[in-house]
Amino acid sequence: DIQMTQSPSSLSASVGDRVTITCRASQSISNYLNWYQQRAGKAPKVLIYAASSLQSGVPSRFSGSGSGTEFTLTISSLQPEDFATYYCQQSYSTPGTTFGQGTKVEIK
Amino acid sequence: QVQLQESGPGLVKPSETLSLTCSVSDGSISSYYWSWIRQPPGKGLEWIGYIYYSGSTNYNPSLKSRVTISVDTFNNQFSLRLSSVTAADTAVYFCARRGRSGSYPQYYYYMDVWGKGTTVTVSS
Repeated sequence: DIQMTQSPSSLSASVGDRVTITCRASQSISNYLNWYQQRAGKAPKVLIYAASSLQSGVPSRFSGSGSGTEFTLTISSLQPEDFATYYCQQSYSTPGTTFGQGTKVEIK
Repeated sequence: QVQLQESGPGLVKPSETLSLTCSVSDGSISSYYWSWIRQPPGKGLEWIGYIYYSGSTNYNPSLKSRVTISVDTFNNQFSLRLSSVTAADTAVYFCARRGRSGSYPQYYYYMDVWGKGTTVTVSS
């Protein structure tokens, strides 16, 4: 199984900050990496697919990069609605898939 | 825009079988993979399995011996059965559609539509 490890597990940031979350795969997954946002009590929502492609309707302050085993999600200027938990997901081993353990972004 | 809605008992006794249904509305169940994902309280997301509209399935190896996912194309819905449940199966259960982007032979898959989730508690 491909393991996905996110860091940090949580972070505190202020509105307007630039935030970066890292996701590492236990083996190379090329660019088969997705990012999701989950607000409290809600279902996850896809932000980025194929490591760097922005899902339709997602604000451009979200961006993704990376390939192989290391990936990053960047929020260029944190907004109040961005305080949430973020998950990476690999789709390399499709139809099987695995998620990272999540990164909670909290208000400083 | 297609919408998903989970339904089923919110309380299941230990050792019994958890059964949930996901109804697909404002869209067809055809030509897509459909998934179940769960989230224990305060924890992360765990993929349970997929079913294609034709009926082929793929399950998480850690749950495979207890999971059955089935599809009912006539009623535009798919279902999850998880047997021999314990307290560790207490979670919010989500259904989701596996969307696709790209072009042959390089497709990218991601969960593009989700239900709101339903809470299932395993307790006597």
